[in-house]
Amino acid sequence: GENVEQHPSTLSVQEGDSAVIKCTYSDSASNYFPWYKQELGKGPQLIIDIRSNVGEKKDQRIAVTLNKTAKHFSLHITETQPEDSAVYFCAASQGYSTLTFGKGTMLLVSP
Amino acid sequence: SAVISQKPSRDICQRGTSLTIQCQVDSQVTMMFWYRQQPGQSLTLIATANQGSEATYESGFVIDKFPISRPNLTFSTLTVSNMSPEDSSIYLCSVRTPGGLDTQYFGPGTRLTVL
Repeated sequence: GENVEQHPSTLSVQEGDSAVIKCTYSDSASNYFPWYKQELGKGPQLIIDIRSNVGEKKDQRIAVTLNKTAKHFSLHITETQPEDSAVYFCAASQGYSTLTFGKGTMLLVSP
Repeated sequence: SAVISQKPSRDICQRGTSLTIQCQVDSQVTMMFWYRQQPGQSLTLIATANQGSEATYESGFVIDKFPISRPNLTFSTLTVSNMSPEDSSIYLCSVRTPGGLDTQYFGPGTRLTVL
């Protein structure tokens, strides 16, 4: 089955800096890669996703890149703000199969 | 997207008892899932709730411990049976919507503490 590795487990940045979280996956058939943000006491919120027919997708300060050859994808957050502090999860799936999640990255943005 | 609500939002229960968690969606969905998130951990799929038939359980989860119902396209329940402190977790309902392909949304979660 699919295996998703996520790094780093924690990431501390200063407000205004950029943050990058990386994930690798094992199943070359996977074609859908979402990212979720989970704030304390809340459920995971889908913030961006990418499918294997594109290499990059942007939404304001958030971008995701995908390298199918190397089987890795990354979340990029620019101009970080304290409200970006949360746990971020990457995931992968193929078609309508169930999502396989990474172990999560705790992002701390200091004012 | 979909608006998902869960009841209760949190509960504290005694060992040996059972708790039923409800998941309600504001629109019809194609698939409903139940996840468990242990403290500080990632999300683990318990089962896929199938309308009108038995749920499909993942390895390590059984129907006797986690019975699931899905009577229609917008509602599902998860029961945590004969609870022990190891069942203390966040339980999350998740859905996929028609036309949303594989896009998946999560509810706010139910925070369960078993004493």
